[in-house]
Amino acid sequence: GAVVSQHPSWVICKSGTSVKIECRSLDFQATTMFWYRQFPKQSLMLMATSNEGSKATYEQGVEKDKFLINHASLTLSTLTVTSAHPEDSSFYICSARDPDIQNTEAFFGQGTRLTVV
Amino acid sequence: GQSLEQPSEVTAVEGAIVQINCTYQTSGFYGLSWYQQHDGGAPTFLSYNALDGLEETGRFSSFLSRSDSYGYLLLQELQMKDSASYFCAVRDRHSSASKIIFGSGTRLSIRP
Repeated sequence: GAVVSQHPSWVICKSGTSVKIECRSLDFQATTMFWYRQFPKQSLMLMATSNEGSKATYEQGVEKDKFLINHASLTLSTLTVTSAHPEDSSFYICSARDPDIQNTEAFFGQGTRLTVV
Repeated sequence: GQSLEQPSEVTAVEGAIVQINCTYQTSGFYGLSWYQQHDGGAPTFLSYNALDGLEETGRFSSFLSRSDSYGYLLLQELQMKDSASYFCAVRDRHSSASKIIFGSGTRLSIRP
């Protein structure tokens, strides 16, 4: 089946620094990837849709200048949390669909647990 | 917009059957899907219903009624490893990227 790989799986950073998270589709080409954020015991909240070769589409309330998304190739999207603060500590998850597989939904990366200290 | 409602918590006994319901409101509808997420892990895809009826995959089954905007996930022969959070989700038909919107999740706890 389709595989989505996310890296790193966890990261601790100091307040004010930036963190980059990578999301790769390993065995299919994903023109579109999605970035979610999940706080403890809560649901996955869609942050943005990453489009290969064009600008990302952000959900309402998500700061595009703080959460920079780059989708430079058909297999890689990156999310950069800029000037991170403790309130940005969360579980970040990417997902992608394999357009060649019918009647299925998204496959998720392993997630990245970000802790800002 | 879209909204999905599901119970926040369900408790069941090992070996039993449990049903997790989901009602949805959406301006456009492709289908209803279900995901499982263990603590600290990423969601994993369980099932997808685009048409009315029951889809069975091993111990898990999923049902959809489009006219009632309702679906459920049925878990049979419960095992301790089934303790997890379960999310129903819909795909946004009006989004060219087909983004997926998740319900709030149901935390399933299984007792021996």
